[in-house]
Amino acid sequence: GAVVSQHPSWVICKSGTSVKIECRSLDFQATTMFWYRQFPKQSLMLMATSNEGSKATYEQGVEKDKFLINHASLTLSTLTVTSAHPEDSSFYICSASLPLRTGQLGSYGYTFGSGTRLTVV
Amino acid sequence: AQSVAQPEDQVNVAEGNPLTVKCTYSVSGNPYLFWYVQYPNRGLQFLLKYITGDNLVKGSYGFEAEFNKSQTSFHLKKPSALVSDSALYFCAVRAPNFGNEKLTFGTGTRLTIIP
Repeated sequence: GAVVSQHPSWVICKSGTSVKIECRSLDFQATTMFWYRQFPKQSLMLMATSNEGSKATYEQGVEKDKFLINHASLTLSTLTVTSAHPEDSSFYICSASLPLRTGQLGSYGYTFGSGTRLTVV
Repeated sequence: AQSVAQPEDQVNVAEGNPLTVKCTYSVSGNPYLFWYVQYPNRGLQFLLKYITGDNLVKGSYGFEAEFNKSQTSFHLKKPSALVSDSALYFCAVRAPNFGNEKLTFGTGTRLTIIP
């Protein structure tokens, strides 16, 4: 249980175009979703935190207008990279927080999508 | 501010030997600690967590970790390494405050098990 499905797994786009990445919680309601960016051989950098029905909270240094996050429902959060450039090429991962309670659904704390490899050419 | 240190970028272990991947943390209050594993071009897979209770936590795939409050450490261990354990391992911490669910990750340790 507690699966987050992330699509697409990989995408190649032309410089200047926009790309949307979707994360869906399949068997639970994801009140809070986190979006991370990971550069090669580096750790995960938190980009923003999104709560269903409200505006996302962005980390310092992350451009809100470039990385648009929408969390319109309890099962879907999206990240849109607008006017993508080669320096936006990266691995993007979403994560949903789970209640920190014992029991099957709450056992893990967080569940992660499988990631999206974005290449901008 | 909370932080995690993984002092070793790379750990090499011979197959069958015990392995340790080190992690120390800094956070206000009692920490929630996690270990995740990442395979190439994949998301993170949960291994184990410490929230409260027994300091020795057992997790997936034979891994365990020991919470040491005095040393602010949460080292990941396995008694006998498998080649399939080769991957990137991340330690993470969050504060126990309600409403602050941010996870802070260490820089990762690449574990290579040598056949």
